[in-house]
Amino acid sequence: DGGITQSPKYLFRKEGQNVTLSCEQNLNHDAMYWYRQDPGQGLRLIYYSQIVNDFQKGDIAEGYSVSREKKESFPLTVTSAQKNPTAFYLCASSIRGINQPQHFGDGTRLSIL
Amino acid sequence: AQSVTQLGSHVSVSEGALVLLRCNYSSSVPPYLFWYVQYPNQGLQLLLKYTSAATLVKGINGFEAEFKKSETSFHLTKPSAHMSDAAEYFCAVSVNTGGFKTIFGAGTRLFVKA
Repeated sequence: DGGITQSPKYLFRKEGQNVTLSCEQNLNHDAMYWYRQDPGQGLRLIYYSQIVNDFQKGDIAEGYSVSREKKESFPLTVTSAQKNPTAFYLCASSIRGINQPQHFGDGTRLSIL
Repeated sequence: AQSVTQLGSHVSVSEGALVLLRCNYSSSVPPYLFWYVQYPNQGLQLLLKYTSAATLVKGINGFEAEFKKSETSFHLTKPSAHMSDAAEYFCAVSVNTGGFKTIFGAGTRLFVKA
């Protein structure tokens, strides 16, 4: 079955550590996205990529970094510069185009120890 | 700038009652609108999308939405609520800012009472 896999489902980070969240898709989609979800705030875009080796900052990119070396993979690193990293992180992918819906993974919940 | 506003962060209905979740959009160009559903600890799933082919859009699980340009609305409805409809619902608009991205509303949590 085609889909998006996010791992791990739960992640704990000590203050001062960087952590990397994995996102892999086998839908052959060009575009991939990372969102942060906090209660009552909907989804906020962190980074997005329309094509391999290219990505753009979203609305809340500070304290995060990404890479897009392969079409299937779009890992997100939460750096120590992100002061409030506790949240639910969602990865999505889509066919390129303004009327294309996004397909989502099941998310990674990051907590600070 | 394009945006969506969902009216009501929480909506509660009885099983079998009409479900109405409200969404208004702001757009200077014809909008591309979507409704997604999210169950606890899961990602979002597409319910339906507006593509300008028809103003009344039918989606999965018996949901539908009507695009009303004069009211800048895209409300989601279902004639008869089921317990399994309890979830969070997001209205979204797709925009072209040199790359395609989607702006999501804040979400409406639907509670269904037995």
